[in-house]
Amino acid sequence: DQQVKQNSPSLSVQEGRISILNCDYTNSMFDYFLWYKKYPAEGPTFLISISSIKDKNEDGRFTVFLNKSAKHLSLHIVPSQPGDSAVYFCALHFSGNTGKLIFGQGTTLQVKP
Amino acid sequence: NAGVTQTPKFQVLKTGQSMTLQCAQDMNHNSMYWYRQDPGMGLRLIYYSASEGTTDKGEVPNGYNVSRLNKREFSLRLESAAPSQTSVYFCASAAQGYGYTFGSGTRLTVV
Repeated sequence: DQQVKQNSPSLSVQEGRISILNCDYTNSMFDYFLWYKKYPAEGPTFLISISSIKDKNEDGRFTVFLNKSAKHLSLHIVPSQPGDSAVYFCALHFSGNTGKLIFGQGTTLQVKP
Repeated sequence: NAGVTQTPKFQVLKTGQSMTLQCAQDMNHNSMYWYRQDPGMGLRLIYYSASEGTTDKGEVPNGYNVSRLNKREFSLRLESAAPSQTSVYFCASAAQGYGYTFGSGTRLTVV
């Protein structure tokens, strides 16, 4: 039973346009929501996060939105750049101090020049 | 460079062989984690160590054992490798909470 789902395995957008990546979850016990970016042959790197008490967090071209009632998380990239082409994972942190993250399946973003 | 170091980067095993994946971090982080990445499955937690001297099972612990040797090192052992353990393995560490730093991964193939 998957607690975190990224239903779109891949997404292709034109350079300069908006990229929207989505993530749905089922458990209400998560207190932080994160996005990680992964290039081939590298480990994932942290991109942006949001606390469960907020509904939006912005960092440059990246904005994360949280809709707790719908149990839905999204990442907006505006404008998209070819260097953004990578696999994006949403990751959800269980409340408590173990630090465990549950990851989604990943979405491969391709930004075309 | 500071960070998380995993060895080896690549490994091919025959079914039934054993091996240990090594992970070391030099950031003085308390928590360490082992994940595996499989196509369409994302990253799944195998084992984690919230602090030196403690280890706990994650989502997919069967067939694996771990040792938190000291604060820096967290190893993952496959006692009898199976083809289902073919995967990319990532080690991560965190000072507290969710601020993970990942290693670059070990690509393991079991034939």
